[in-house]
Amino acid sequence: KNEVEQSPQNLTAQEGEFITINCSYSVGISALHWLQQHPGGGIVSLFMLSSGKKKHGRLIATINIQEKHSSLHITASHPRDSAVYICAVDGGATNKLIFGTGTLLAVQP
Amino acid sequence: DTGVSQDPRHKITKRGQNVTFRCDPISEHNRLYWYRQTLGQGPEFLTYFQNEAQLEKSRLLSDRFSAERPKGSFSTLEIQRTEQGDSAMYLCASSVGASYGYTFGSGTRLTVV
Repeated sequence: KNEVEQSPQNLTAQEGEFITINCSYSVGISALHWLQQHPGGGIVSLFMLSSGKKKHGRLIATINIQEKHSSLHITASHPRDSAVYICAVDGGATNKLIFGTGTLLAVQP
Repeated sequence: DTGVSQDPRHKITKRGQNVTFRCDPISEHNRLYWYRQTLGQGPEFLTYFQNEAQLEKSRLLSDRFSAERPKGSFSTLEIQRTEQGDSAMYLCASSVGASYGYTFGSGTRLTVV
């Protein structure tokens, strides 16, 4: 079992839909990251969370430390949101990120 | 500062050849990381530098792989005697500390034919 699990692996939505991507982890963490990766490879950091909830534009990220679970929500989805969304955890003392396998999101017009 | 730069963006090489990739981190970032990502998977940790010191290496980093950060600025990742299984995206990231997050480069996509 991977230390970071994401669901779903693939998600197709219609423009305007509310989208949720889930992440569960099994290790102790100092922070959890949500990242976006477009075709071509570059990774962009969306959120870094250690507790509670953060919002940036149409994106919302939440984390429940007790449940070891985080969610990324996209409101009013748009085709430009189409990308791979990756959850990664930082164990702090481990000096590295542990990544989930990603969720491939396609938003259709 | 334009972020983390990686060069080349793409590399096609024949099996058995040596390749070297370069990463230029954000100038004030003392921490530098290399990750490898194969198709359909999340990135996997390869190695970590703090300044010029290589502090951690993954078991994925076989004897054919070597990484350096000679002056605590740019870093190079060399793969000797490449194999088809080395085909992947090699990503570099830098940070001033875990509490401040990470900045990723665009990656070097290696194809071994």
